[in-house]
Amino acid sequence: AQSVTQLGSHVSVSEGALVLLRCNYSSSVPPYLFWYVQYPNQGLQLLLKYTSAATLVKGINGFEAEFKKSETSFHLTKPSAHMSDAAEYFCAVSDVIRGSQGNLIFGKGTKLSVKP
Amino acid sequence: GAGVSQSPRYKVTKRGQDVTLRCDPISSHATLYWYQQALGQGPEFLTYFNYEAQPDKSGLPSDRFSAERPEGSISTLTIQRTEQRDSAMYRCASTLLSGDNTGELFFGEGSRLTVL
Repeated sequence: AQSVTQLGSHVSVSEGALVLLRCNYSSSVPPYLFWYVQYPNQGLQLLLKYTSAATLVKGINGFEAEFKKSETSFHLTKPSAHMSDAAEYFCAVSDVIRGSQGNLIFGKGTKLSVKP
Repeated sequence: GAGVSQSPRYKVTKRGQDVTLRCDPISSHATLYWYQQALGQGPEFLTYFNYEAQPDKSGLPSDRFSAERPEGSISTLTIQRTEQRDSAMYRCASTLLSGDNTGELFFGEGSRLTVL
């Protein structure tokens, strides 16, 4: 079965510091992987996605993630945190076992706090 | 519409009552998804539609849950005889292409249901 594990339900960084949000996946087939972000009182929006092209994926707002098959990981990083990055971040894998219909399996989410 | 619209944003009901949640997807989006997100958890798949067809409803927790999309646009999710464990955020998302598991899901702001 496919699954996603996000290590750390809360991460706190100082403004300007490196952001690292961890995601590990389990999949018996080559996965499609996603990071979504939820700002307060808003819906989830796509940050970036990996669909078997380049292993280093760049997204919006300076975020990027690297697909590492050997480590079954898809960690999200940003070199320098900004106050506006405070949000909840969800890692997800496309549920190709249920059917090729784009259903996503989400992790539990990581809340990122940015201290001034 | 310009974005995915969900109503009501907040619903408080008493145990045993029926509730109906509404989702108006982005115009021309073929596929519509319903997710349930309990507190502290990631969104979990409930069901989806390709236009008016409902190929997969295996994520619905019980037969008290039903969804429809009769004209292939607006969708409703109905929970009959609500129970406290139904309290959650219900998220609707749409995507342009039917069967596309690499595409972006566009989420609404969600409907928060509280069952007393």
